[in-house]
Amino acid sequence: DAGITQSPRHKVTETGTPVTLRCHQTENHRYMYWYRQDPGHGLRLIHYSYGVKDTDKGEVSDGYSVSRSKTEDFLLTLESATSSQTSVYFCAIRERTGATGELFFGEGSRLTVL
Amino acid sequence: KNQVEQSPQSLIILEGKNCTLQCNYTVSPFSNLRWYKQDTGRGPVSLTIMTFSENTKSNGRYTATLDADTKQSSLHITASQLSDSASYICVVSALTGANNLFFGTGTRLTVIP
Repeated sequence: DAGITQSPRHKVTETGTPVTLRCHQTENHRYMYWYRQDPGHGLRLIHYSYGVKDTDKGEVSDGYSVSRSKTEDFLLTLESATSSQTSVYFCAIRERTGATGELFFGEGSRLTVL
Repeated sequence: KNQVEQSPQSLIILEGKNCTLQCNYTVSPFSNLRWYKQDTGRGPVSLTIMTFSENTKSNGRYTATLDADTKQSSLHITASQLSDSASYICVVSALTGANNLFFGTGTRLTVIP
């Protein structure tokens, strides 16, 4: 199994509070991604990183920010959580973007915003 | 617009039966197509990859096909087992870019005894 750890795995918080989810990898892969998964929508890209301090927005980036200060860590922050951000969040890593660039996913972080 | 559509959304079959899941895409320029299996409460795991020149590839009881002309792929599961109950996600890669992955919404397969 690819070495990807997400924390926390489960979190319940209240509307308006800040939340940070952490993704840690031991594979030294260059590319890291944050997705959210909701019924009927599948996996949607929030933000991704193509190197240390190099990040870009995905299709559902509003209300989220990210940081990558080290190769192994990719943080997703909800500055002020809303109920619409209740979801399961998956981190994924990828060594390269070509044909052999398989995505390896973490186990997910279930966030509930009350 | 780059899109991936999967059908059916959900499927229930008896243990031991076969089934076929479909994936249609409009991603261009096409690089490859992967099928992922996602067990409940877990992250997706790659089952197989299809590149432009490949028509069929098997992984145990899973057989994937690709028709690059019609931009269609299928995943055939033979002699289904209870452990095949999962969501199956089709992911298509475009040729270039770090953000070059396009996801289908998945097919939820339930195998009943």
